[in-house]
Amino acid sequence: DAGVIQSPRHEVTEMGQEVTLRCKPISGHDYLFWYRQTMMRGLELLIYFNNNVPIDDSGMPEDRFSAKMPNASFSTLKIQPSEPRDSAVYFCASSARVGQPQHFGDGTRLSIL
Amino acid sequence: LAKTTQPISMDSYEGQEVNITCSHNNIATNDYITWYQQFPSQGPRFIIQGYKTKVTNEVASLFIPADRKSSTLSLPRVSLSDTAVYYCLVGLNSNYQLIWGAGTKLIIKP
Repeated sequence: DAGVIQSPRHEVTEMGQEVTLRCKPISGHDYLFWYRQTMMRGLELLIYFNNNVPIDDSGMPEDRFSAKMPNASFSTLKIQPSEPRDSAVYFCASSARVGQPQHFGDGTRLSIL
Repeated sequence: LAKTTQPISMDSYEGQEVNITCSHNNIATNDYITWYQQFPSQGPRFIIQGYKTKVTNEVASLFIPADRKSSTLSLPRVSLSDTAVYYCLVGLNSNYQLIWGAGTKLIIKP
């Protein structure tokens, strides 16, 4: 299996621009997670989906952040408008069932200038 | 409210056994404990998971005492390549919450 695939690996953009991060989970996994990681705040769970349905979005920082999962093989995390404080590494992970280990992608390093 | 606490950093030497403890109060008997390893520029990688007593796999052991207020990840005979950040995760089966620790930076010296 190819594992969890995230794109792009790096993104640099200017404040105010829309940013879209993409994730392809492992085939057959029912759960998909989006995380943000920074030196100051560590690893933060933003939102997770079960069978394409958002279950817990309490970690989404603001209305500028939105996540969708239109089908079992694709999810997006969108920031609009972006701000410098959104600069971080964003990880996507998937797991087969609740309680099963999560498999992480390599992350997207986002820099907002 | 469940919370996980782990040491910020630890040092050890090649060939030693390393134990990293995570404190997690107020967890139920069917809540699970998972440990992940993260190298720079990579996503966290699963190491081991358990609910109670002891679990062992090819890379680590996980010890969970009867009161389940803590868990200890044991890495036998570490090498330089074990230098990484180690995260403790508690999964609450009651409401499917995930409680991540802040991570322990482990540095292995020659």
